[in-house]
Amino acid sequence: DSGVTQTPKHLITATGQRVTLRCSPRSGDLSVYWYQQSLDQGLQFLIQYYNGEERAKGNILERFSAQQFPDLHSELNLSSLELGDSALYFCASSVANRLGETQYFGPGTRLLVL
Amino acid sequence: GENVEQHPSTLSVQEGDSAVIKCTYSDSASNYFPWYKQELGKRPQLIIDIRSNVGEKKDQRIAVTLNKTAKHFSLHITETQPEDSAVYFCAARGSARQLTFGSGTQLTVLP
Repeated sequence: DSGVTQTPKHLITATGQRVTLRCSPRSGDLSVYWYQQSLDQGLQFLIQYYNGEERAKGNILERFSAQQFPDLHSELNLSSLELGDSALYFCASSVANRLGETQYFGPGTRLLVL
Repeated sequence: GENVEQHPSTLSVQEGDSAVIKCTYSDSASNYFPWYKQELGKRPQLIIDIRSNVGEKKDQRIAVTLNKTAKHFSLHITETQPEDSAVYFCAARGSARQLTFGSGTQLTVLP
């Protein structure tokens, strides 16, 4: 157990819908990262927050957005869902944003869009 | 931005043999290189990492080597066991300060 929690574990929804994924980082970690892992694919970095502020952006679609709240938990919002958005979504956390910092991954949310 | 290539995509070895997975990166400013192991349906777990001021690091049966000049790094697993079977991802952290992952290697250890 890495100490990073994600809810829900599984999510089944329909095309066009909107969902929210939630992540709680390890106690004391200020940085949260979101990744998408499609079937048989690697990990694609989406976005990073550090202490409530957006720090880095990867290949995140405009239909997706995220935020980090004062208690440091983070939410990833996915809207106008398409079949291709079906994937495992992981969040990870690290203490700060220093070079060489270890990222610890949560258990993931498996999203299925029908 | 950073580009990380990982080879091979699949690797089968006999139990007890060694396994080697190789990665190359493009950003010469990269200075942190972790390796993650992911079992089916589970989270990626860090197994070893190396920073650019070190050429080699070992932890029991696992070792990682880094060649900064050639911009490549490798994972070596010795005396492989069936429980080593998983997908292994390399990653590099470059000037953009975000981790870029390789495409993964499915390692199968045959009993």
